[in-house]
Amino acid sequence: DAGVIQSPRHEVTEMGQEVTLRCKPISGHDYLFWYRQTMMRGLELLIYFNNNVPIDDSGMPEDRFSAKMPNASFSTLKIQPSEPRDSAVYFCASSLAGWGTGELFFGEGSRLTVL
Amino acid sequence: DAKTTQPPSMDCAEGRAANLPCNHSTISGNEYVYWYRQIHSQGPQYIIHGLKNNETNEMASLIITEDRKSSTLILPHATLRDTAVYYCIVRVANAGGTSYGKLTFGQGTILTVHP
Repeated sequence: DAGVIQSPRHEVTEMGQEVTLRCKPISGHDYLFWYRQTMMRGLELLIYFNNNVPIDDSGMPEDRFSAKMPNASFSTLKIQPSEPRDSAVYFCASSLAGWGTGELFFGEGSRLTVL
Repeated sequence: DAKTTQPPSMDCAEGRAANLPCNHSTISGNEYVYWYRQIHSQGPQYIIHGLKNNETNEMASLIITEDRKSSTLILPHATLRDTAVYYCIVRVANAGGTSYGKLTFGQGTILTVHP
């Protein structure tokens, strides 16, 4: 398996523009997580899904952020409009419930810079 | 989930054992201890986890005290590639004895392995 795939790896945009980050989880995994990482706040959980249904979105900072998971193999995180304080590395991760380690497999991240 | 306390940074000489402590004095009986690490610019990576028994795998050993209020991650022969941020996380076990769902990251310990 190729692992969790995120795109784009780097995005530079101007304040006010819409940003869409994409994630393909590992095939067969039923949990998907979106995290954001900044120097000031560390790794923050934004939202997670189970079987494509959002379970906990309490970490989503405000209404400018939205996430969808239309099917088991794809998820998006959208920021509209973007602001400079949204600059961060956004990680997607997936995991499989049931017996096992329960580990989260992370993608390589999408580095967002909002000017 | 219970909070954890880790030293902000540690040093270790290459080839020596690295012992990373974690305090989780408010851990509940149904919470696992997980360790992840994050090498610069990469997504976090699972290392090991345990409930109350000591655990060992190809990467590390996990020693959990009898009262479960603290644990130590041991990298037996640290290499330069082990330089990373190490996160200790406690996570609720789900029905069936496994643990899945969200992970909440703290600030972690920056481990620097030097020649």
